Amino acid sequence: RKEVEQDPGPFNVPEGATVAFNCTYSNSASQSFFWYRQDCRKEPKLLMSVYSSGNEDGRFTAQLNRASQYISLLIRDSKLSDSATYLCVVSRYLTGGFKTIFGAGTRLFVKA
Amino acid sequence: NAGVTQTPKFQVLKTGQSMTLQCAQDMNHEYMSWYRQDPGMGLRLIHYSVGAGITDQGEVPNGYNVSRSTTEDFPLRLLSAAPSQTSVYFCASGSKSEGRRGYTFGSGTRLTVV
Repeated sequence: RKEVEQDPGPFNVPEGATVAFNCTYSNSASQSFFWYRQDCRKEPKLLMSVYSSGNEDGRFTAQLNRASQYISLLIRDSKLSDSATYLCVVSRYLTGGFKTIFGAGTRLFVKA
Repeated sequence: NAGVTQTPKFQVLKTGQSMTLQCAQDMNHEYMSWYRQDPGMGLRLIHYSVGAGITDQGEVPNGYNVSRSTTEDFPLRLLSAAPSQTSVYFCASGSKSEGRRGYTFGSGTRLTVV
């Protein structure tokens, strides 16, 4: 079983739609959680950190459920420019540093 | 405002050749790492370093060596290239004290081994 699992998609949605991505992680010692965005043939870029209290950044809302080991990302009012792969990322601290595991990503296509 | 710089951007190697992928960061980050990305596999950690002089193996270290003689540089060496090492390689850096801020990635090196 992969340590971080995501639905690979693709998700095909019209502009203006609301779309939700889910992610589960297996290691309960995980401490930091992120969503990254990766455009085709580009490097991943940090979209937002995820906190237990939930956090929002404009049209994007991230939630963390530690009891269920589940992370979500909600995108409201989808734009064409939101088309990308969204990576769920989990980190835990080790002596001297931290170990970060990336999910395989969920592809999103937003269509006009 | 360079961030993380990777060179080269593209490389074709013949089986058995060796080469070094370069990675440099100017953010004074303690933590640096190398990932490879293959279709459907996500990013897999090859090697990482928590500071100058300290390196450790990640998930898929075989066939690769690293060194960290300075805070800024973290080169990845392919000892004897194999077709299975055809992939996109990303270098990333992060701050130990700001672990919640995630990583900054370089733009990647697309390597083909023939």
